Amino acid sequence: GEDVEQSLFLSVREGDSSVINCTYTDSSSTYLYWYKQEPGAGLQLLTYIFSNMDMKQDQRLTVLLNKKDKHLSLRIADTQTGDSAIYFCATANQAGTALIFGKGTTLSVSS
Amino acid sequence: NAGVTQTPKFQVLKTGQSMTLQCAQDMNHNSMYWYRQDPGMGLRLIYYSASEGTTDKGEVPNGYNVSRLNKREFSLRLESAAPSQTSVYFCASRGSRGSTEAFFGQGTRLTVV
Repeated sequence: GEDVEQSLFLSVREGDSSVINCTYTDSSSTYLYWYKQEPGAGLQLLTYIFSNMDMKQDQRLTVLLNKKDKHLSLRIADTQTGDSAIYFCATANQAGTALIFGKGTTLSVSS
Repeated sequence: NAGVTQTPKFQVLKTGQSMTLQCAQDMNHNSMYWYRQDPGMGLRLIYYSASEGTTDKGEVPNGYNVSRLNKREFSLRLESAAPSQTSVYFCASRGSRGSTEAFFGQGTRLTVV
């Protein structure tokens, strides 16, 4: 079945850039997603990239997609303490009927 | 504009008890999902409903049943709760197969003792 892998933890200092990486097995998904979960809350869509794009920039966020290597990354520029959260990479299953999530990367930002 | 509403927010059950987690969305979405979130395991799909009247198993369906009561509501039932079902449960909905965004409820924190 589909599999999405992420590293579990990332620790950065305020003002630095953060890069969260993700690899996936099924390349049929039309979109690939990054979701953010703050403590005690549900997940919220942070950004997404269409599968035929290599890069998408949205303010402090840059998403890079390498389809050949099935690798997705999320870069957060000028990371702030408010960016501390769990970040999930997600793709759609082969049928396109459900989202499959990675285990999530906990980003810790210290001042 | 409620989005996805889950009830209850917290629940403690004894082993063997049953309960139903309720989920409703007001966005006229076709697809609805139940996930569980456990430390170090991320979100795992329990069941989903791609459209009203259909349900399908996800990655971890054992011990659960679901009902897509109508387009708005998708419930998750634990017939005989076990400690292994202690988790945070999230309901989500999505507009259609090609939709870019799934909307999540705030979660139900379930403890089975």
